[in-house]
Amino acid sequence: AQKVTQAQTEISVVEKEDVTLDCVYETRDTTYYLFWYKQPPSGELVFLIRRNSFDEQNEISGRYSWNFQKSTSSFNFTITASQVVDSAVYFCALSEAGSSASKIIFGSGTRLSIRP
Amino acid sequence: SAVISQKPSRDICQRGTSLTIQCQVDSQVTMMFWYRQQPGQSLTLIATANQGSEATYESGFVIDKFPISRPNLTFSTLTVSNMSPEDSSIYLCSFLGSFPRTEQYFGPGTRLTVT
Repeated sequence: AQKVTQAQTEISVVEKEDVTLDCVYETRDTTYYLFWYKQPPSGELVFLIRRNSFDEQNEISGRYSWNFQKSTSSFNFTITASQVVDSAVYFCALSEAGSSASKIIFGSGTRLSIRP
Repeated sequence: SAVISQKPSRDICQRGTSLTIQCQVDSQVTMMFWYRQQPGQSLTLIATANQGSEATYESGFVIDKFPISRPNLTFSTLTVSNMSPEDSSIYLCSFLGSFPRTEQYFGPGTRLTVT
């Protein structure tokens, strides 16, 4: 069965600090996709990244970076030089390939607060 | 322009009534998904809606409570029936884009409050 665990319920840091959001997943499939979404106070879901299980390369996009490690079933998300606008709830999610493709299972989310 | 839109954006409804939420996509998609996000919680999948067939519901959700229509490849509706305060949530529709737009798109959500 699929499962996504975000052990950090809430994180609060001071602006300009680096912060890492942890994500651990469980799946029996060898082909799957991992996602990160941002949900600001306005409520909409903002897509950040989609990574397939065959691509373990780490990715960097501006201040955002993602560390995918299949050996530990983790897909962690780091924000460097955090800003107040980064304050939001961040969800890690998983979907399996095959007939159930596109059905996304979400973690419980991590509420990130950036203090000025 | 918006990829996926929902109506209404929010509503306040009385207990015992029903509300139908509409989801419109700007391109044809095979599968659409309906999610619920209860206050302070994560997103939970309600059902998967394929065009031309009955929706597939996840454990804990039933068709009588959440009937879904999928009349064509760009549109779907979710009805929340016989509402109670526990149904107060954000309801979101979603679909997976086709290559090269491979991200999972979510609608802006419908914020429902049941009094």
